[in-house]
Amino acid sequence: GQQVMQIPQYQHVQEGEDFTTYCNSSTTLSNIQWYKQRPGGHPVFLIQLVKSGEVKKQKRLTFQFGEAKKNSSLHITATQTTDVGTYFCAGRRGGGADGLTFGKGTHLIIQP
Amino acid sequence: NAGVTQTPKFQVLKTGQSMTLQCAQDMNHEYMSWYRQDPGMGLRLIHYSVGAGITDQGEVPNGYNVSRSTTEDFPLRLLSAAPSQTSVYFCASSYVGRGYGYTFGSGTRLTVV
Repeated sequence: GQQVMQIPQYQHVQEGEDFTTYCNSSTTLSNIQWYKQRPGGHPVFLIQLVKSGEVKKQKRLTFQFGEAKKNSSLHITATQTTDVGTYFCAGRRGGGADGLTFGKGTHLIIQP
Repeated sequence: NAGVTQTPKFQVLKTGQSMTLQCAQDMNHEYMSWYRQDPGMGLRLIHYSVGAGITDQGEVPNGYNVSRSTTEDFPLRLLSAAPSQTSVYFCASSYVGRGYGYTFGSGTRLTVV
């Protein structure tokens, strides 16, 4: 079945440093989504990428979708304590009527 | 606008007991799904539905049943609880189609002893 791998599993950074998490799929994806889960909370949708090579920005967050539509990344510039949490990528092969396959997530830990 | 509502928030079951986790959404979303989250395992899909009367299995369906009699509700039934079903369960919904992200409920933390 479809697998979505995410690295690293944990990332410790000093506040103000940059952070990147990477997502790789074993199959070509029709789209990829990113979610953030705060400690003790539930996943919250951040963004969706659909086009090959697509790059989207949300303030300090930059999302990329690979040319082959099998990998993606999330980069956070100048981390803040509010960025703490687990970031998940989730891929879908089909047009939307099947379930998303989530990566295992990257836990971002920020030291002030 | 309540979004996705899950009940209960916490539950302790004895091995062999059955129970139903409730999920309701008020956004008229066609798609609803159940995930379980375990440490180091991420979110794994249990069952999903693309509309009333239509359900399908996900990655880890064994030991769970679902039904979708209305657009709003998607209950998850544990038939005979086992310690391996100790987990946090999330219900999620969205419009069908690749343009939409999921809205998650706040989760049910289930412990089976």
